[in-house]
Amino acid sequence: NAGVTQTPKFQVLKTGQSMTLQCAQDMNHEYMSWYRQDPGMGLRLIHYSVGAGITDQGEVPNGYNVSRSTTEDFPLRLLSAAPSQTSVYFCASSGWGRTQTQYFGPGTRLLVL
Amino acid sequence: SQQGEEDPQALSIQEGENATMNCSYKTSINNLQWYRQNSGRGLVHLILIRSNEREKHSGRLRVTLDTSKKSSSLLITASRAADTASYFCATGGQETSGSRLTFGEGTQLTVNP
Repeated sequence: NAGVTQTPKFQVLKTGQSMTLQCAQDMNHEYMSWYRQDPGMGLRLIHYSVGAGITDQGEVPNGYNVSRSTTEDFPLRLLSAAPSQTSVYFCASSGWGRTQTQYFGPGTRLLVL
Repeated sequence: SQQGEEDPQALSIQEGENATMNCSYKTSINNLQWYRQNSGRGLVHLILIRSNEREKHSGRLRVTLDTSKKSSSLLITASRAADTASYFCATGGQETSGSRLTFGEGTQLTVNP
């Protein structure tokens, strides 16, 4: 199994541009989530999904959209990039349930100029 | 805001010494998990302790949980240079849905050879 994969690994955007960060998992996990990690801030939850067709907002959802058309894929869309969205983005997945552990992708480093 | 707060923010020790990191949280939890992050990589799950457990061991790791004080500690015994990483606690809440976790800001551990 590849686990959780993310593309691209690194991206530079100009303010106002849009882009999609890809995330895929091959473990048949119901739960998938997107976090952003900023220096000294730990991980903050952007959006999450408890299954295909179901998404919900996390702690910092503004400026981001998600969809979950399949169990495997959970893309994150930046609608109009801003310098404040410069960060490292991690996708994670897990089975359903409170005691499930999360599996993380390698991250996408995004720089918005 | 973050649920968990790690203490200390940074810890530097010599190889062979023990490392202790603490995590405090604010609301009732179902479980608490510890994750490790090597520089520039995704997080990797280390250990999970349920709210009705007080102590758990896994290899050189020992986790304690005190729900009355809303705190947990992670002890790494006989540390190695390869243990150098950031360590995060994450809580699964009683009220939050399914697999959702809230992460702390992390402790940066440096083990000097």
